[in-house]
Amino acid sequence: QVQLQESGPGLVKPSGTLSLTCAVSGGSISSSNWWSWVRQPPGKGLEWIGEIYHSGSTNYNPSLKSRVTISVDKSKNQFSLKLSSVTAADTAVYYCARLFYTENSNWYFDLWGRGTLVTVSS
Amino acid sequence: EIVLTQSPATLSLSPGERATLSCRASQSVSSSLAWYQQKPGQAPRLLIYDASNRATGIPARFSGSGSGTDFTLTISSLEPEDLAVYYCQQRSNWPRPITFGQGTRLEIK
Repeated sequence: QVQLQESGPGLVKPSGTLSLTCAVSGGSISSSNWWSWVRQPPGKGLEWIGEIYHSGSTNYNPSLKSRVTISVDKSKNQFSLKLSSVTAADTAVYYCARLFYTENSNWYFDLWGRGTLVTVSS
Repeated sequence: EIVLTQSPATLSLSPGERATLSCRASQSVSSSLAWYQQKPGQAPRLLIYDASNRATGIPARFSGSGSGTDFTLTISSLEPEDLAVYYCQQRSNWPRPITFGQGTRLEIK
C-alpha cells in the first residue's frame, strides 16, 4: 500500500530555511490526489501549510504563504517543503499527507507520514 | 478563514460510556467536515469524512453527524484504546484554506 516518509534536518538555525522531503512509496505521485504538508507544534494542534498537485499547481495557507514553497519531483516520486526565515515558533512535527477527493467534492487527509520533528534553535 | 471551535477541551469517561464531541464552524461548511483521531506519538488518522461517512476500517462505534455549522462525533461505547485527541477539519469550497479545530482530549478513566 502507499506509504509516506518525511526526511530532512532535525535542527535549523533561526532565520534559516527549513527543508523537508516526503517520499511516496507503493504508488505514484501522479495519481489523482493532492499532496500536502501539515505541522504540529509540541503539545499543540494541527496547522495546514499547503498542498501540491503532480502538475505543480500549489495552494498555501495565507498565514505562511510569503515564506513557503512546495515543489514536486515526479522522477523521484516525492514532494518537498521549504520554509524560509524560520523562528522558534516554527518548531514543530512536520507531517506530509495525501488528500483524497470524495463524491461530495470535498478533500480530506486519508494517508499520513509518521512525522518528523524540526527544532529551530541556534 | 473559517474557524472551527471544539468542545469540550477535555473529556474524561469510563470504558463502555458514550462520548459526544462537538465542533462548531464560524460559518456554514455544508457537510465538508472530517474527524481525525490522534493517539499519543502517532500521526492523525481519518475517522469520519463528509460529516457522517466512516473511513475504511473504522469501527462502527464511531459515528458523525451534523451539517452547516454544528457537528458531532459520537463514540457509542468507549474502549481503552480510544484514548486520544480528536480533531475536526474543514475545507469548504476548494481551494480555500484547510483549517482544523483545536482538538478535544479524550481521557479514559
